[in-house]
Amino acid sequence: QEQLVQSGAEVKKPGASVKVSCKASGYTFSRHYIYWVRQAPGQGLEWMGRINPSGGSTRYAQKFQDRVTMTRDTSTSTVYMEVRSLRSEDTAVYYCARDRRISLTVDAFDIWGQGTTITVSS
Amino acid sequence: DIQMTQSPSSLSASVGDRITITCRASQSISRSLNWYQQKSGKAPQLLIYAASNLQSGVPSRFSASGSGTDFTLTISSLQPEDLATYYCQESYSDSPRNFGQGTKVQIK
Repeated sequence: QEQLVQSGAEVKKPGASVKVSCKASGYTFSRHYIYWVRQAPGQGLEWMGRINPSGGSTRYAQKFQDRVTMTRDTSTSTVYMEVRSLRSEDTAVYYCARDRRISLTVDAFDIWGQGTTITVSS
Repeated sequence: DIQMTQSPSSLSASVGDRITITCRASQSISRSLNWYQQKSGKAPQLLIYAASNLQSGVPSRFSASGSGTDFTLTISSLQPEDLATYYCQESYSDSPRNFGQGTKVQIK
């Protein structure tokens, strides 16, 4: 079935980097954008950015522009998100989500990964 | 960026009650509005897309409407399994896909 499977939880020290993976299966990888969304403890959903698996183009939320890089490996149908210069405020669950384009003007996140917990602590 | 505002931030209702959640966009987004349900400790799940279209497998007690800047999600008869936080999300043009702050639904 169509699914996204993310890498496991990580604990990092402030200033370190982390790279989270999101492996797609059950569908044509190149056909759907992948978005990354994070959720701090007890908080709402925050859009971080997206990648087009077909050509690799990216778009990032302004607040993450200089600390986040999204890449993809088409040979393994995997998308990666690296976050650098981690701080305690980056402690959150990070989700990848598939963006399904339903029509020219309609799209929605129809498949989500299970989430990856990143804890930043000294 | 388009900002999304939900109300209320939380509500408590009894099983069988009809409840409504409101979402307002900071500018007109036509019908480019999605709703998600997130149960505790789980990833969000798509409920409604394009303002009023039920995602496959979602119970018919869920419905939604709206266009422009004002949208609503309704649960016609609240069930215990509807305990969750509900988020609206804009999907207008090339905007970032921002979410509302969420509405936590509790069962009395």
